[in-house]
Amino acid sequence: EDQVTQSPEALRLQEGESSSLNCSYTVSGLRGLFWYRQDPGKGPEFLFTLYSAGEEKEKERLKATLTKKESFLHITAPKPEDSATYLCAVRRGSGGGADGLTFGKGTHLIIQP
Amino acid sequence: EAGVVQSPRYKIIEKKQPVAFWCNPISGHNTLYWYLQNLGQGPELLIRYENEEAVDDSQLPKDRFSAERLKGVDSTLKIQPAELGDSAVYLCASSGAGGPTGELFFGEGSRLTVL
Repeated sequence: EDQVTQSPEALRLQEGESSSLNCSYTVSGLRGLFWYRQDPGKGPEFLFTLYSAGEEKEKERLKATLTKKESFLHITAPKPEDSATYLCAVRRGSGGGADGLTFGKGTHLIIQP
Repeated sequence: EAGVVQSPRYKIIEKKQPVAFWCNPISGHNTLYWYLQNLGQGPELLIRYENEEAVDDSQLPKDRFSAERLKGVDSTLKIQPAELGDSAVYLCASSGAGGPTGELFFGEGSRLTVL
């Protein structure tokens, strides 16, 4: 069974204080690891897709990296508007089951001014 | 371009009552998903459609949940009868005509409270 574990569950940072969120996964035949952002009362919003170990993607203050067992979402010099829940998800290879995504529980990030 | 539209945004019902949620995906998106999200949890897939065909409904509790996607566009998710444990946010998502890539576009969700 696919498993996606995110840590920490919650993180409070000061504005400008860089940090990293972790996503460890267990899946057979990974066909992509995804990061989404979710604001309160909204649906998740797509950020990145990573397909192979060593791959990196960047968007503004966010950078996502991938190894064979985990992914990191690095946040550099965050601003209060980066406050949100960050969700990690995996897409399995073929061989039965959903072609949808399996999500972790998310990391609730708060950036204080 | 309009995003994924869901209604109602909020619904409060008593247990054993029926409830239905509606979703209009992004125009041209062939794949439609219904997810359930409990408080403090990530979304969990209930059902996936490719056009009008339900290609994966293995996680849908079929004793009380049903879904349809007539004409391969709009979709409706129904619960009958609702139970207390069904209180959650029901998210609809769609993805592009090129096949599921993992880039899902979500609606704002329908929050259900069962009393």
